[in-house]
Amino acid sequence: DIVMTQTPLSLSVTPGQPASISCKSSQSLLHSDGKTYLYWYLQKPGQSPQLLIHEVSNRFSGVPDRFSGSGSGTDFTLKISRVEAEDVGVYYCMQNIQLLTFGQGTKVEIK
Amino acid sequence: EVQLVESGGGLGQPGRSLRLSCTASGFTFGDYAMGWVRQAPGKGLEWLGFIRNKAYGGTTEYAASVKGRFTISRDDSKTIAYLQMNSLKTEDTAVYFCSRAGMVRGAPDYWGQGTLVTVSS
Repeated sequence: DIVMTQTPLSLSVTPGQPASISCKSSQSLLHSDGKTYLYWYLQKPGQSPQLLIHEVSNRFSGVPDRFSGSGSGTDFTLKISRVEAEDVGVYYCMQNIQLLTFGQGTKVEIK
Repeated sequence: EVQLVESGGGLGQPGRSLRLSCTASGFTFGDYAMGWVRQAPGKGLEWLGFIRNKAYGGTTEYAASVKGRFTISRDDSKTIAYLQMNSLKTEDTAVYFCSRAGMVRGAPDYWGQGTLVTVSS
């Protein structure tokens, strides 16, 4: 099974400042089809998760451009260029090259 | 607008069964896979499984933790996906989310609001 490890597990950010979350997979997420199967989700308090980024760096419909994803192989990063109050919640990375596995989640709060 | 509404949650007894439904609207149901994810109280997300559409044979994939005990099915005529949960355990207590999913690899894009299942005697 592929294990997804996120760091940090919690993050306190001043509004307007950047934030970064790391996600490492126990195996490469690069498929022979050339795609890398890494996704990012945000679960806001009291809500269901929402898709932010698919296949490493592609923003989903309606996702603000302050969110960006990068990485390759086993190391990935989600960056928020300027954190806003509405960005609080728990962020999860997920792989689906081999079934599906979520990371433990990173809780982001506002200072 | 994509809408997914779960139902069927509630109190279940250990060893018994429960079936959850996910009613979809706002998209062509038959063009997509449908999946299920759960979240135990205060915990993270756990993927359970998904079912592909007819074009991909309607095949299913499951997490090892629930394989053989949980079954996902779909009724395209009613635009409903189901999660049949058998031999319930107390550790199955969680909020269960259905999702629209990518056809081949089942990555969720849109999610329902979730339904709470509590397994207790």
